[in-house]
Amino acid sequence: DAKTTQPPSMDCAEGRAANLPCNHSTISGNEYVYWYRQIHSQGPQYIIHGLKNNETNEMASLIITEDRKSSTLILPHATLRDTAVYYCIVRAILNSGYSTLTFGKGTMLLVSP
Amino acid sequence: DARVTQTPRHKVTEMGQEVTMRCQPILGHNTVFWYRQTMMQGLELLAYFRNRAPLDDSGMPKDRFSAEMPDATLATLKIQPSEPRDSAVYFCASGFIPGELFFGEGSRLTVL
Repeated sequence: DAKTTQPPSMDCAEGRAANLPCNHSTISGNEYVYWYRQIHSQGPQYIIHGLKNNETNEMASLIITEDRKSSTLILPHATLRDTAVYYCIVRAILNSGYSTLTFGKGTMLLVSP
Repeated sequence: DARVTQTPRHKVTEMGQEVTMRCQPILGHNTVFWYRQTMMQGLELLAYFRNRAPLDDSGMPKDRFSAEMPDATLATLKIQPSEPRDSAVYFCASGFIPGELFFGEGSRLTVL
């Protein structure tokens, strides 16, 4: 799986958009970009994933650059409950069905009042 | 609400004792993962099952760790003998490929 680079920490004011960047310059064609988050003392929680196109769901939006070498997770209106470690993961889905999820260090997002 | 259930939630044991952690994946999911989390190493993949068959257990110390899926409703992770360095939170996750993984709340293990 391709390596990802994320800032170790970010701050965001409550109610503002949180834009979390991720660099994955060595991504290959069969690799998806996944985002998970982990709130303190809980298991990781899936947020969103995409291959090429931008994606949006009830939690967030995922913007992937045209060359796919980087992406941004957007939380449109951050709340205090969004304080968590956010993991950007590049995941290959092989024809054999083999596919693991390798977590890096992630970005600690602190949402303040 | 379907969820991944892990037991025990907390376990304190002494070095050398056997520890078994259990996971009930969400009904119908065909992939199960075991992860270990420590402050120093973060989240590490230990084992990965698809349709109950082990596909990858390269992250597991083979001499003391074993992972099995006796049936589709149960995954187990066993440590024998346990050591203080095994102290960590162990997470089980289930899902489909390439979809999302659902994680349990974890089993916090302390080995004295």
